[in-house]
Formats: sequence, C-alpha cells, structure tokens
Amino acid sequence: NFLLTQPHSVSESPGKTVTISCSRSSGNIASHYVQWFQQRPGSAPTTVIYEDNLRPSGVPDRFSGSIDGSSNSASLTISGLKPEDEADYYCQSYDSLNPVVFGGGTQLTVL
Amino acid sequence: EVQLLESGGGLVQPGGSLRLSCAASGFRSSNYAMNWVRQAPGKGLEWVSTISGSEGGPFYADSVKGRFTISRDNSNNTLYLQMNSLRAEDTAIYYCTKAVTALWGTIHYWGQGTLVTVSS
Repeated sequence: NFLLTQPHSVSESPGKTVTISCSRSSGNIASHYVQWFQQRPGSAPTTVIYEDNLRPSGVPDRFSGSIDGSSNSASLTISGLKPEDEADYYCQSYDSLNPVVFGGGTQLTVL
Repeated sequence: EVQLLESGGGLVQPGGSLRLSCAASGFRSSNYAMNWVRQAPGKGLEWVSTISGSEGGPFYADSVKGRFTISRDNSNNTLYLQMNSLRAEDTAIYYCTKAVTALWGTIHYWGQGTLVTVSS
C-alpha cells in the first residue's frame, strides 16, 4: 500500500493564499487522479477538487489543484482566504490494488 | 441533482449486525462506482468498501474484510453495507460516496452520513 502524507496543520491570514501538500510514498502521482475534500466542523466532507484540478459546480475558483511529478506530490491552493475556508482538508488517490486511499488530513486555520 | 441519503445507523452491541442503506437520486447508481467511507470520532477519513460500476471488485479494507458486505439493488437505486460481527472500533459515522465514473478510484459526491455506535 502507498501512503499520502499531508501536513497536520497550516494557518494563514484572511485574503492571503495557502497551499496544502499531499506527498505520495510510492507509485506515480500523475498516473492516478487526486481528489481534495473539505470538511467543516460537524459537517460531512464535500469535494472541492476532483481528477487533479477540476472543480465541482458551486466551488469557487479560489480553489485550485495541481500535480508535481518531480516531487511526486499534489497540492491544493486556496487564494483570497475567507474565514469560512477554515476546515479540515483531505487528499485522496488510488492504485490498481487500493481503490481509495486518504491522506491524514490538514487542519486549516484562518487567523 | 445528485443526492445520497444514508440510513440504518444506530446503537448495537459488540458482535451484533447492522445494515446500512444509501438511497441515491439524480443519477443511476448502477452506472457508477460507489464507496462506503467512515470516520471515527475525532479521527480522519477511512475507506471501508467499494463496488464498481464496471469490472472488478468488490473491494474491502482489511479491517472489515470477512465481516462487511457491500451490495446494491439497481431496481430501487440503493447501495447497502451489511455489517456483521461488529466491534467497538467500528464505531463511526459512515458515509456513502459516488465516484466520477463507473471506474473506482475517485470520489465526487458525499452523503450526510449515518452514525453507528458499537457498545454494550
């Protein structure tokens, strides 16, 4: 099994830009789509990025996803931070033997 | 509009059984891969099981293999998770999720979840 490693927490001020990383331990990050989920306290997760860089309808374009083959990692970037962006964020991917693998989650604090 | 509505959670004693349901609307669930994902209190997301919309599977996490069974009823567009021999560590909110396509590996939509508590 491969692992997806995320920072435990990040913080930034309103209006700024924050990037959350997701490092894949083995297997090519570019060969399997990465998804990102937002989970606000007391709520179910929602998808903010799917298939590496696509946004579901209703997700603002302040959210963007990217893949870096050189570091074998994915990133979620949130620009123009708002207080309502404060949440836990999870990355997710897969391979031929593991249909769904989650990262450990990153707690975003908007100071 | 895609909607996933879970039901069937509750309090059950260790060793007991429970069947979770996920009523899908806004799409034909048989055409998509579907997953069950759980979250224990204060913990992160944990994949439980996947049923494909095409070939392969079903798939189970090692922690539930041999105890849980995923299935679906295409006639009423519903996904199920039969949970037997429940343990305290199965206590969690269980979410039903829909993939982007028939192929497993992605998650596009989430339900609101149903709480399962295993305790004597």
